[in-house]
Amino acid sequence: EAQVTQNPRYLITVTGKKLTVTCSQNMNHEYMSWYRQDPGLGLRQIYYSMNVEVTDKGDVPEGYKVSRKEKRNFPLILESPSPNQTSLYFCASGINRIEQYFGPGTRLTVT
Amino acid sequence: GQQVMQIPQYQHVQEGEDFTTYCNSSTTLSNIQWYKQRPGGHPVFLIQLVKSGEVKKQKRLTFQFGEAKKNSSLHITATQTTDVGTYFCAGPSGGSNYKLTFGKGTLLTVNP
Repeated sequence: EAQVTQNPRYLITVTGKKLTVTCSQNMNHEYMSWYRQDPGLGLRQIYYSMNVEVTDKGDVPEGYKVSRKEKRNFPLILESPSPNQTSLYFCASGINRIEQYFGPGTRLTVT
Repeated sequence: GQQVMQIPQYQHVQEGEDFTTYCNSSTTLSNIQWYKQRPGGHPVFLIQLVKSGEVKKQKRLTFQFGEAKKNSSLHITATQTTDVGTYFCAGPSGGSNYKLTFGKGTLLTVNP
């Protein structure tokens, strides 16, 4: 089954404790992207990747890192999480940025 | 930077009524996409519009792209309870075809 998977689905952590949210797709898509969704703000793009080893900033990249060492994986790294990074995070993939397939989401709480 | 505005923010309708959401960009868009997100779910791609003045239909859904390619609309005819969710438009931004800016969405609720 074609899908985008994210882990973990739920995470509660403390300020400053490094964490990684994994994202994997099995559709051989070149394009992958991370978004955060906050009430009243809609979806905002954090980082995107056009292909392996090619990444670029979205609208809200501060406090986040990504890497794209393999085509199927695109982890999101928070080196020192802060409470304002409490959010619902979605990973997505697509042949390009069109018709993106979204993962189920990761709900992150930073206390 | 580029802004994509959607109105209304919320819309409540009786089942069977029509619904329209509008999307306006501060800059000309090369294309625009529409997504639907059910409550508690993830966004699902609906359609992409590319041409000026383009109109596309998917059953009861009609999508339009403005002549100036700065606005778009999604119209649902005779809403059903299955149409409940948030509808987002999205367009390329920052001069890149790979960077995407979403509108804040319109939450549609349908009273059966």
